[in-house]
Amino acid sequence: EVQLVESGGGLVQPGGSLRLSCAASGFTFSNYEMNWVRQAPGKGLEWVSYISSGGSTVYYAGSVKGRFTISRGNAKNSLYLQMNSLRAEDTAVYYCARMKDTTLTAGFGGFDYWGQGTQVTVSS
Amino acid sequence: SYELTQPPSVSVSPGQTASITCSGDNLGHKYACWYQQRPGQSPVLVIYQDNKRPSGIPERFSGSNSGNTATLTISGTQAMDEADYYCQAWDSSTYYVFGTGTKVTVL
Repeated sequence: EVQLVESGGGLVQPGGSLRLSCAASGFTFSNYEMNWVRQAPGKGLEWVSYISSGGSTVYYAGSVKGRFTISRGNAKNSLYLQMNSLRAEDTAVYYCARMKDTTLTAGFGGFDYWGQGTQVTVSS
Repeated sequence: SYELTQPPSVSVSPGQTASITCSGDNLGHKYACWYQQRPGQSPVLVIYQDNKRPSGIPERFSGSNSGNTATLTISGTQAMDEADYYCQAWDSSTYYVFGTGTKVTVL
């Protein structure tokens, strides 16, 4: 069974840092592209960051570029998000999400598995 | 930046058909996917690559994509389908953009 379990959220002051982790199991983690998605209270989904299966390619949303860093440890089946210079508007539930494998059909296939999310609150 | 626009809400009677639209520039030239998110739960992929259903998704969920609009259709809507729905597409400038979201109410 595919499982994604996020951790590392919490309350942090503006300007502070947090490191989120996502522990993956039930699939060959090193074969899959991964993402972070967030959802502010009462708001919609916002894609945050992407990392390729080997970790060599990363993308960021404009709202977090230069402040957040995505990484992965394939030997540890783990995905990470280092968040620096946090702002009140970064307050959200953060989800890790697996990119659907579309090797046979090609093209973007969405995110087929999501974790339960971890709450990040930025407040003084 | 690339944007996807959805109606804020859609209401449907049980057993009827609900259609949710997602509008974006030349969206028909991209692959669209759809997610269902029930209150307090994580999103679930219900349609990918315009019209494909992942394993375990009921046949009453279908999708289409042409021109500037992708559409998610729920046929024979059930009370359990009451949820928020989000479209998503990939764009070279904005990467994995989500739509604004639509709340489906089953009256």
